[in-house]
Amino acid sequence: DQQVKQNSPSLSVQEGRISILNCDYTNSMFDYFLWYKKYPAEGPTFLISISSIKDKNEDGRFTVFLNKSAKHLSLHIVPSQPGDSAVYFCATFSNSGYALNFGKGTSLLVTP
Amino acid sequence: NAGVMQNPRHLVRRRGQEARLRCSPMKGHSHVYWYRQLPEEGLKFMVYLQKENIIDESGMPKERFSAEFPKEGPSILRIQQVVRGDSAAYFCASSPTATGAGELFFGEGSRLTVL
Repeated sequence: DQQVKQNSPSLSVQEGRISILNCDYTNSMFDYFLWYKKYPAEGPTFLISISSIKDKNEDGRFTVFLNKSAKHLSLHIVPSQPGDSAVYFCATFSNSGYALNFGKGTSLLVTP
Repeated sequence: NAGVMQNPRHLVRRRGQEARLRCSPMKGHSHVYWYRQLPEEGLKFMVYLQKENIIDESGMPKERFSAEFPKEGPSILRIQQVVRGDSAAYFCASSPTATGAGELFFGEGSRLTVL
C-alpha cells in the first residue's frame, strides 16, 4: 500500500523554466513531509521539508507547497538548471514516527 | 550524505550464499536505518536500530534477513541464502536522534546482485 504517491515517473523541462513535481498522500494525519534528491549510484540527499502547520516553505530556488485539504504537495524548482536532473522522492514519516515512507520518485531531466 | 559509509558498494552473490552489508553512521549518530530499493521502486524501510538494540524491524522480511548494530563497529545487514529477488540497492541512513521532524543522512548504498 503506497501511502505516498508520485504519479509522474518522469518530467522533462527546459533550462530556466519551472519544474513542478507532485506528490499525493493518503493519510490526513501525516504532518511532516520531505523531499529527497537522488543522483544515479548515490544515496538520497535531503532537499527541503515542510510541516503541516505551514502551506509553503522556500529555500533558494526550491519551494514546497502543501495543500492539506487535497492531501497534495508539490516541489517547485525555478529556474531549473541541468544540475537539477535527478530523481526526486517525496517522503513522510510512518505512524511509528521514524520510518520514512517514500514515493516511487519522479525522474527530472533539465535540458539546456 | 557525507559521512555515512557503506561497504561494499557492489556485491555479487550466487543463489544460496550469504550477503553481509556494512554501514558506519555519521560521527555522533547513534540511530541507524536500513532501506531497500528494488528496481523501479522507491525506498522501502526495513529496520531501525540504535546501539545494541533493534527498535523497529517491521519492514524486514520474516526469514533470511537480520540486522545488528553492536556497541563497537558498524551496523550489519545480513541476508542468508540469497535469492534473485534480493537483488537491490540497500541504503543505510543515520541520524543523531530518533527522527520525527528531521532528515536522515543516507550513505551511497550497497548494490547487491544475485546470480
